[in-house]
Amino acid sequence: NAGVMQNPRHLVRRRGQEARLRCSPMKGHSHVYWYRQLPEEGLKFMVYLQKENIIDESGMPKERFSAEFPKEGPSILRIQQVVRGDSAAYFCASSPGEGKAFFGQGTRLTVV
Amino acid sequence: GENVEQHPSTLSVQEGDSAVIKCTYSDSASNYFPWYKQELGKRPQLIIDIRSNVGEKKDQRIAVTLNKTAKHFSLHITETQPEDSAVYFCAEVGGGTSYGKLTFGQGTILTVHP
Repeated sequence: NAGVMQNPRHLVRRRGQEARLRCSPMKGHSHVYWYRQLPEEGLKFMVYLQKENIIDESGMPKERFSAEFPKEGPSILRIQQVVRGDSAAYFCASSPGEGKAFFGQGTRLTVV
Repeated sequence: GENVEQHPSTLSVQEGDSAVIKCTYSDSASNYFPWYKQELGKRPQLIIDIRSNVGEKKDQRIAVTLNKTAKHFSLHITETQPEDSAVYFCAEVGGGTSYGKLTFGQGTILTVHP
């Protein structure tokens, strides 16, 4: 079991570009969470998805951010027209649905 | 809605002492309470968890207690070692309208001095 895989590990984007972050859950896990973390800060909830469904997106900014978890393939967090304030570490976690969640290594997004 | 308060924000202890981190939650339907350890530059790692039908759980030097009536749970680390130094996060999985949502406390920076 390879664990939760996130890619890329590091991503540099210029202001105005799109950032696409991928998360492959652990085998057998059908639930994915996305969190944002600024340096020396906590884990801020963004979105909770099951296969083909968004369960809770109360932490997602209303504009520019979207997430999906298709029937096949990884979960994708998409940030359009990135700004400097989007620079952060983005972590995903996967769960079989009973609550026990395991994290990926994160994607560190830098907007220049 | 769901809310998790964690205290203290920083905790400094001498090697060999015990460390206690406390969390309170607001969702009475919450039924699962994990704790994560995050070392600098790394991913959060699950270290122990407890479900709502249990009052206490222990795994070697770490233990977690849960008081559902008072809606608080605590992490206890005994015989602390320098490698225990990290940020610790409590979390809860909501029930009711927040079913399945995993919400974290603000984190505690634990420093164990040799």
